[in-house]
Amino acid sequence: LAKTTQPISMDSYEGQEVNITCSHNNIATNDYITWYQQFPSQGPRFIIQGYKTKVTNEVASLFIPADRKSSTLSLPRVSLSDTAVYYCLVGPNQAGTALIFGKGTTLSVSS
Amino acid sequence: NAGVTQTPKFRILKIGQSMTLQCTQDMNHNYMYWYRQDPGMGLKLIYYSVGAGITDKGEVPNGYNVSRSTTEDFPLRLELAAPSQTSVYFCASSYSGGGSATNEKLFFGSGTQLSVL
Repeated sequence: LAKTTQPISMDSYEGQEVNITCSHNNIATNDYITWYQQFPSQGPRFIIQGYKTKVTNEVASLFIPADRKSSTLSLPRVSLSDTAVYYCLVGPNQAGTALIFGKGTTLSVSS
Repeated sequence: NAGVTQTPKFRILKIGQSMTLQCTQDMNHNYMYWYRQDPGMGLKLIYYSVGAGITDKGEVPNGYNVSRSTTEDFPLRLELAAPSQTSVYFCASSYSGGGSATNEKLFFGSGTQLSVL
């Protein structure tokens, strides 16, 4: 299983772009990288997923370098409502493997 | 679709009591998971299942049991509740393993907050 490492916390102000980097040095060939967002008292929810290069959706962008040993979640122009914990998850390389979450990054957005 | 439904939402147990946390999904997902989340901490995997009749241990399985008799249901059993099991429990499901195919993702329930006193 590919272990992930993220910063414990980050602070930002409204309107700024936030980039959260996740390290996954032993990612397997078939693994995808998925990011989840969790608000207090709620279960995590899917944000974005990618395999290589860049993926963009209506919420965020995901940048993955060629060696795939890291990935960066980019949140454009954050607002107070983006205050949450963000988890990077690297997918299993074979069926039946458990999905292990890392400690996540607590993002605090201030006005 | 209701997605992933967990019951109850809150429960207080006395030490030594037993209970079952219910989880059901209506998305015909193969994979289901149980996680626990202690205050201010990340998610820890308790058990998971890749299909009916198949279960496997996660990171912290001690003190828990699971069964998967149907695709839809994945109950988590606490036999002898201990204060260390005070936590929020989340059930999740995915079509395959999550992350191994384009757009595969985990769907989480709203959680069960359990206190053991």
